[in-house]
Amino acid sequence: EIVLTQSPGTLSLSPGERATLSCRASQSVSSSYLAWYQRKPGQAPRLLIYGASSRATGIPDRFSGSGSGTDFTLTISRLAPEDFAVYYCQQYGSSPLTFGQGTRLEIK
Amino acid sequence: QVQLQESGPGLVKPSETLSLTCTVSGASINFYSWSWIRQPPGKGLGCIGYISESGTTNFNPSLKTRVTISVDTSKNQFSLKLTSVTAADTALYYCARWLPELGVFDIWGRGTMVTVSS
Repeated sequence: EIVLTQSPGTLSLSPGERATLSCRASQSVSSSYLAWYQRKPGQAPRLLIYGASSRATGIPDRFSGSGSGTDFTLTISRLAPEDFAVYYCQQYGSSPLTFGQGTRLEIK
Repeated sequence: QVQLQESGPGLVKPSETLSLTCTVSGASINFYSWSWIRQPPGKGLGCIGYISESGTTNFNPSLKTRVTISVDTSKNQFSLKLTSVTAADTALYYCARWLPELGVFDIWGRGTMVTVSS
């Protein structure tokens, strides 16, 4: 199965700063099937990005995704207070579907 | 808007069957695929399996001998049954809508914690 490794494990930034989250795959992943999710405590996880770079419905344009092959990135251009959460990448290019272990984005 | 809500016992005894239900509102369960995902404490997310609109199921190989996912169209619900549970099945369980053409889960429930303990 494809292992997704996210880095860093924890990212400490201030509102207004730029966040760059990495997701590295153990094998090449079809860009069509790389997604990013946001999860906050007690809330339903939210789909942010699909197809590596397409924003899901209602997602602000400060969120962007990029990458191909084994290296993918989620960028939040200017952090808003509500963006501090845990972020997961997920692939479906190869069965079984797998998730990364998550990056915690915390307020500095 | 579409909402999902998990329900079921929060405590299950070892060797028994874990049963959870997901109630879907705002969408007909007939027209989509549905899934269960879990996260054990201190570990990552893992897909348990999903059921398509045609009723075809697909399960994680590590769980497929113990898992059943079914749909009740009359109640707009789908369910998870996991047999012969152990402490390793203790986890936060999520239900989600699965979009196979995009390979993503676009709507999730808030999750329900299930502990396996005597």
